Amino acid sequence: KQEVTQIPAALSVPEGENLVLNCSFTDSAIYNLQWFRQDPGKGLTSLLLIQSSQREQTSGRLNASLDKSSGRSTLYIAASQPGDSATYLCAVPMYSGGGADGLTFGKGTHLIIQP
Amino acid sequence: DGGITQSPKYLFRKEGQNVTLSCEQNLNHDAMYWYRQDPGQGLRLIYYSQIVNDFQKGDIAEGYSVSREKKESFPLTVTSAQKNPTAFYLCASSIKGGYGYTFGSGTRLTVV
Repeated sequence: KQEVTQIPAALSVPEGENLVLNCSFTDSAIYNLQWFRQDPGKGLTSLLLIQSSQREQTSGRLNASLDKSSGRSTLYIAASQPGDSATYLCAVPMYSGGGADGLTFGKGTHLIIQP
Repeated sequence: DGGITQSPKYLFRKEGQNVTLSCEQNLNHDAMYWYRQDPGQGLRLIYYSQIVNDFQKGDIAEGYSVSREKKESFPLTVTSAQKNPTAFYLCASSIKGGYGYTFGSGTRLTVV
């Protein structure tokens, strides 16, 4: 069964720093990988989806990379801002396919950007 | 604007009582999902449905029930058989193949 681990569990950095969040998964036969953001007491917002055939995906100051063979993904946040403070979750399809049968989530990285 | 609406935002359940959480989407998505989130934990899948009148159990379906009579609606009932129902419940939907995941804003259920 697929398991997803995120490191670190929490991170606090000064505003303006570049930072990297890590995600690892046990079964490398994934179809895609997604990164989500969750604000306190709220639902999840999709940030980036990387297909298994892609190595990275970019959206604004966010860049996500995927290395299927090593079972790892990273989310790079450039020039961090206080508004980036949130919990970031990594997810992969629970079974074969794109995620129609549900996603397996990591426990998330709780990020605080200090003004 | 298209999206997913969950209601109520907060729900209190007495011991032995069944409660139903509402989830409605106007995104014309085929698939819908219910996840449970506990403090410090990742999301865990309760039930999912890929088409109307069909649904499948997820990892933690015991003590829960669902229905999918309309494409837009996927209500979750937390029954008295669920011994530890206090949690944050999230509904989601996606297009075929599991793309375009969209989440609702959640319902926080507390047992009193």
